[in-house]
Amino acid sequence: SYVLTQPPSVSVAPGQTATIPCGGNRGKSVHWYQQRPGQAPVLVVFDDIDRPSGIPERFSGSNSGNTATLTISRVEAGDEADYYCQVWDSSSDHWVFGGGTKLAVL
Amino acid sequence: QVRLVESGGGVVQPGRSLRLSCAASGFRFSSHAIHWVRQAPGKGLEWVSVISYDGSDKYYADSVKGRFTISRDNSKNTLYLQMNSLRAEDTAIYYCASPIAGIAAAAIPYWGQGTLVTV
Repeated sequence: SYVLTQPPSVSVAPGQTATIPCGGNRGKSVHWYQQRPGQAPVLVVFDDIDRPSGIPERFSGSNSGNTATLTISRVEAGDEADYYCQVWDSSSDHWVFGGGTKLAVL
Repeated sequence: QVRLVESGGGVVQPGRSLRLSCAASGFRFSSHAIHWVRQAPGKGLEWVSVISYDGSDKYYADSVKGRFTISRDNSKNTLYLQMNSLRAEDTAIYYCASPIAGIAAAAIPYWGQGTLVTV
């Protein structure tokens, strides 16, 4: 089964670029969710690189080998949230979530 | 627009049962697989279960297999989660979630607001 590994926290200054890795995806397509405190998750990147409508272009994704990455450019205070990666384990028809990364905007 | 509204959460003693509901609107519910995802207080997201569009296929996380049952009533546009033999570790906010194009393996743009279960 899959184990998706994310760093517990990432800190970045406003206007800088944040990168959040997700290891262990074995090349599977990865989706990313943003969750602010007290709110439901919001899909920000799907199928490695695609953005749902309404998500700023500052959010982008990549996937290479066993590690996917969420990149947030020109970080704003409003981007402070928990971010989760997710893959579909087709061998067991299960979703797998990473442990989540708390993005702190300094 | 797509709307998912969970209900049925509450406080329950260990070993007892609870049934959650998720009322759906704004899309063709009967054509969509639907998931339950939970989040324990201060913890990350945990997938719980998924049911196919017609209810013929159901899958569960190991942590709830044998205790939880997912079902749906397409005539009522409603998803259910019957939770038996509840444990303290089942305490969480439970979300229903609908994937893109109703495909179980696809990403999830639609989430309910969640319902809190406290065991």
